[in-house]
Amino acid sequence: GESVGLHLPTLSVQEGDNSIINCAYSNSASDYFIWYKQESGKGPQFIIDIRSNMDKRQGQRVTVLLNKTVKHLSLQIAATQPGDSAVYFCAGFNFGNEKLTFGTGTRLTIIP
Amino acid sequence: EPEVTQTPSHQVTQMGQEVILRCVPISNHLYFYWYRQILGQKVEFLVSFYNNEISEKSEIFDDQFSVERPDGSNFTLKIRSTKLEDSAMYFCASSEMGLNEKLFFGSGTQLSVL
Repeated sequence: GESVGLHLPTLSVQEGDNSIINCAYSNSASDYFIWYKQESGKGPQFIIDIRSNMDKRQGQRVTVLLNKTVKHLSLQIAATQPGDSAVYFCAGFNFGNEKLTFGTGTRLTIIP
Repeated sequence: EPEVTQTPSHQVTQMGQEVILRCVPISNHLYFYWYRQILGQKVEFLVSFYNNEISEKSEIFDDQFSVERPDGSNFTLKIRSTKLEDSAMYFCASSEMGLNEKLFFGSGTQLSVL
């Protein structure tokens, strides 16, 4: 089955710096990837998504990069703010079914 | 912004008891989901629901679990006879057009089975 995992469980970044959170996936048939942010006591919040026919997508202060050759996904957050402190999950999806497979999460801490 | 609401925020129950977790998805959404997250672990898919029937379920979603949309606004998850290992945060989610569109998650119900 598919598995989605993260390289590092924790990441600390100085406020104002850029952060990069990485994710590896195992199922090359995954069609679609999503990054979620989860703050303490809250449900996952959609940040940005990318389809497998793309290699980069940009949002406001966030960029997702997809490298299908090495099955790697990253989330870049520019000019980090205290409110960016949260756990970040990547999730993969195959259009053959209707479930997301989540990674274990990276806890991002922004240091003031 | 519209949101998915879940009640209660925390449910404590004794092993063997039945629990019903309630969710109100976003009103114009057609696809509904339950996920769970055991403390410190990843979020896991349980079930997806569309057009008044289950469209996909995971191996976690055994005969002890059921879902229902009893009216036009609520979406419920029932666990018939809770086990200790059912203790987790349960998230409801909805989307307008299935997973071609992003999922909106509720804040979750923490289920504690004693």
